[in-house]
Amino acid sequence: AQSVTQPDIHITVSEGASLELRCNYSYGATPYLFWYVQSPGQGLQLLLKYFSGDTLVQGIKGFEAEFKRSQSSFNLRKPSVHWSDAAEYFCAVGGYNKLIFGAGTRLAVHP
Amino acid sequence: NAGVTQTPKFQVLKTGQSMTLQCAQDMNHEYMSWYRQDPGMGLRLIHYSVGAGITDQGEVPNGYNVSRSTTEDFPLRLLSAAPSQTSVYFCASRFGTGVSYEQYFGPGTRLTVT
Repeated sequence: AQSVTQPDIHITVSEGASLELRCNYSYGATPYLFWYVQSPGQGLQLLLKYFSGDTLVQGIKGFEAEFKRSQSSFNLRKPSVHWSDAAEYFCAVGGYNKLIFGAGTRLAVHP
Repeated sequence: NAGVTQTPKFQVLKTGQSMTLQCAQDMNHEYMSWYRQDPGMGLRLIHYSVGAGITDQGEVPNGYNVSRSTTEDFPLRLLSAAPSQTSVYFCASRFGTGVSYEQYFGPGTRLTVT
């Protein structure tokens, strides 16, 4: 069955600290992988995506993610978190017509 | 471009009432979809459309109807609202039918069914 697991429901980091959000997926074929961010009361915005090629992908707002096929993971990272990064983050895996989302990780940033 | 727009932003319904959530996009996108977002469950696909006149079911279609008479509009109908349909609803669109195309989301409709 196709699924996405985000093991961390809530994460709190201090401003300026590094961040890693975990994402594991189960998918029968080569996956298309995505990270989205949702600010409070807003829709989702695409941070980055992976289809093929270089397994380290760069996105907007200084985020990057690394695809590890052997671990079925696509973890999101940022070297230095800003207070404006506080939001909910969703990992998603896609096939032809459908995206499957994880349950999300809510990030809080302490000053 | 306005992008993806949704109306209303908030709605309260009584059990058994019907209503239509509106979604429109001005980007000439082929693919449009509806998701519901519930706490701890992420977004789940309700219905999607790959073009005018073509719709299909997603993961959680029961209790919802859709139609696509134009490229721009993709309304979601609740025929007889139930408390289990209390959720935040997002409409999304993308240029092509494959997931490689970036998907754009509307701002959402928060629906409460009492």
